[in-house]
Amino acid sequence: AQTVTQSQPEMSVQEAETVTLSCTYDTSESDYYLFWYKQPPSRQMILVIRQEAYKQQNATENRFSVNFQKAAKSFSLKISDSQLGDAAMYFCAYRTLSGTYKYIFGTGTRLKVLA
Amino acid sequence: NAGVTQTPKFQVLKTGQSMTLQCAQDMNHEYMSWYRQDPGMGLRLIHYSVGAGITDQGEVPNGYNVSRSTTEDFPLRLLSAAPSQTSVYFCASSRGGGGFYGYTFGSGTRLTVV
Repeated sequence: AQTVTQSQPEMSVQEAETVTLSCTYDTSESDYYLFWYKQPPSRQMILVIRQEAYKQQNATENRFSVNFQKAAKSFSLKISDSQLGDAAMYFCAYRTLSGTYKYIFGTGTRLKVLA
Repeated sequence: NAGVTQTPKFQVLKTGQSMTLQCAQDMNHEYMSWYRQDPGMGLRLIHYSVGAGITDQGEVPNGYNVSRSTTEDFPLRLLSAAPSQTSVYFCASSRGGGGFYGYTFGSGTRLTVV
């Protein structure tokens, strides 16, 4: 069975600095999707970035980018020029390409942004 | 677009009571799911549906029922509430099973069972 591990329960970053959130996963599949979701205090889960496993190029969305290391089963999120609005819980998620359409979520990392 | 709408946002139940959490989406998404979020455990899949009339169990289905009579609606029923069902519940929908497009989540329902 697939698992997703986020080993950092909480991280802090100064405004305008860069922070990296870690995520590792375990799977025997070769094709899958990986996601980072943001959950601000409003509780709404918001898609931040997506990576298809068959793509070697790391995904980028504005200030958000990932470092996808398929062989190492690592999927970290880098937030550049951190803003106060980036403060939230961040969840890493795995989605298989076959079967039940289930996401496997990590336990989350709470990001604090310091002014 | 309203996206995914969940009601109610908060609910307190007594043990043994039943209730229905409502979920509606206006994006014509085929796939809808219910997750529960518990502290330190991420989100876990309760039930999901790949289209009207088709539902299946996720990893934590016990104590919950679902039905999907229309594309838009996917209610979650708690049959006899237990304190272990105290949680935040999220409904999510997607095109294509939430792979390429990811999921659109509702804003959640915080349920407390006393």
